[in-house]
Amino acid sequence: EAGVAQSPRYKIIEKRQSVAFWCNPISGHATLYWYQQILGQGPKLLIQFQNNGVVDDSQLPKDRFSAERLKGVDSTLKIQPAKLEDSAVYLCASSSDGSTDTQYFGPGTRLTVL
Amino acid sequence: GDSVTQMEGPVTLSEEAFLTINCTYTATGYPSLFWYVQYPGEGLQLLLKATKADDKGSNKGFEATYRKETTSFHLEKGSVQVSDSAVYFCALTAGGGADGLTFGKGTHLIIQP
Repeated sequence: EAGVAQSPRYKIIEKRQSVAFWCNPISGHATLYWYQQILGQGPKLLIQFQNNGVVDDSQLPKDRFSAERLKGVDSTLKIQPAKLEDSAVYLCASSSDGSTDTQYFGPGTRLTVL
Repeated sequence: GDSVTQMEGPVTLSEEAFLTINCTYTATGYPSLFWYVQYPGEGLQLLLKATKADDKGSNKGFEATYRKETTSFHLEKGSVQVSDSAVYFCALTAGGGADGLTFGKGTHLIIQP
């Protein structure tokens, strides 16, 4: 079974530029999550989708971050404009049905904002 | 809001030593508790979980018991190996539909031969 796929793996941009990350969850998984992991900290949830609807985006900085999951499969997370403090690893995870089900994580995208 | 506190690292042990990594939590309701592990160069993966009080999760020789009275979920292993060197994260989900994980800061474990 293929795991969670993410691209790109690395991205370097200048502040105020925009950037987008892509995630393809495990086939059949209804729930998709985006997390931000700053160096030396645990991952922090940004947004949770159930199919193509948003369940929780309370910690998403909506003035600059946006995410969508069209057709309830793959997802895109965008930052526009980027700030220095957005430098982090962006992790995508999926689970078959949320709740106590195991979340499977992708390899992450390491973003550096200069 | 919900939070997880785990012991600061790095924790350095000799091979075959006994391991304890402390984890305590603050949450409303009845959270589910998890330990995730990140081996060098790899992604996060679930190590074990417990979904209700007094449950014990176990995997690969690691164990943790959900203690509601002390709001704790300490990770233990009787005899560690060099291959256990990794970063360990304690986490919880509050349930009720919004099931994103709340993580601790992680504990870097280094096992020396």
